[in-house]
Amino acid sequence: DIQMTQSPSSLSASVGDRVTITCRASQDIRNDLGWYQQKPGKAPKRLIYAASSLQSGVPSRFSGSGSGTEFTLTINSLQPEDFADYYCLQHNTYPHTFGQGTKVET
Amino acid sequence: QVHLQESGPGLVKPSETLSLTCTVSGGFINNNDYYWGWIRQPPGRRLEWIGNIFYGGTSTYYNPSLKGRVTMSADTSKNQFSLKLTSVTAADTAVYYCTRRSTGSSSDYWGQGALVTVSS
Repeated sequence: DIQMTQSPSSLSASVGDRVTITCRASQDIRNDLGWYQQKPGKAPKRLIYAASSLQSGVPSRFSGSGSGTEFTLTINSLQPEDFADYYCLQHNTYPHTFGQGTKVET
Repeated sequence: QVHLQESGPGLVKPSETLSLTCTVSGGFINNNDYYWGWIRQPPGRRLEWIGNIFYGGTSTYYNPSLKGRVTMSADTSKNQFSLKLTSVTAADTAVYYCTRRSTGSSSDYWGQGALVTVSS
């Protein structure tokens, strides 16, 4: 299986901050990566697909970058509604695998 | 707008079979542009991909970590697909999500999730 190592596991931030979350794949996954936001009791919501493409309806303060084995999700000017859990998902190779998640908290 | 809704028992006894159904509206599961799948999340843990089904059930792939306990099927007449997980243990307690993903992409539409607890 491809291992997805996500860091940090949690971070403390304030409204207006720039936040960066990283996922590292154990092998080359090209750009076959999505980023998700999950709030308590809710299903994950896709923010980014194909590593850097913004999902329709998602604010432009969210951006993704990277290819191969290193990927980054950036949130520019963190908003109150952005405090949540974030996950990366690789879909290059079966079985698809998730990172362990990052909790963004105040 | 595509909508997915999970249904099934919320409590299953150890060693029995977990069965869930996902009803899809706003799209057809026999559309060969999409895979339909299941993802679960044990309490306090990361998401785990279970598997997916394609083109009305003509093709499936399951996560080997589930050791052959998984079966997915589709009922195109009802526009539903299903998950069966046999010989469950407490480790299978989780919120189970059904999802849709386009060929070559990640899941874009998700159901609201169904909590299944394995307990006697």
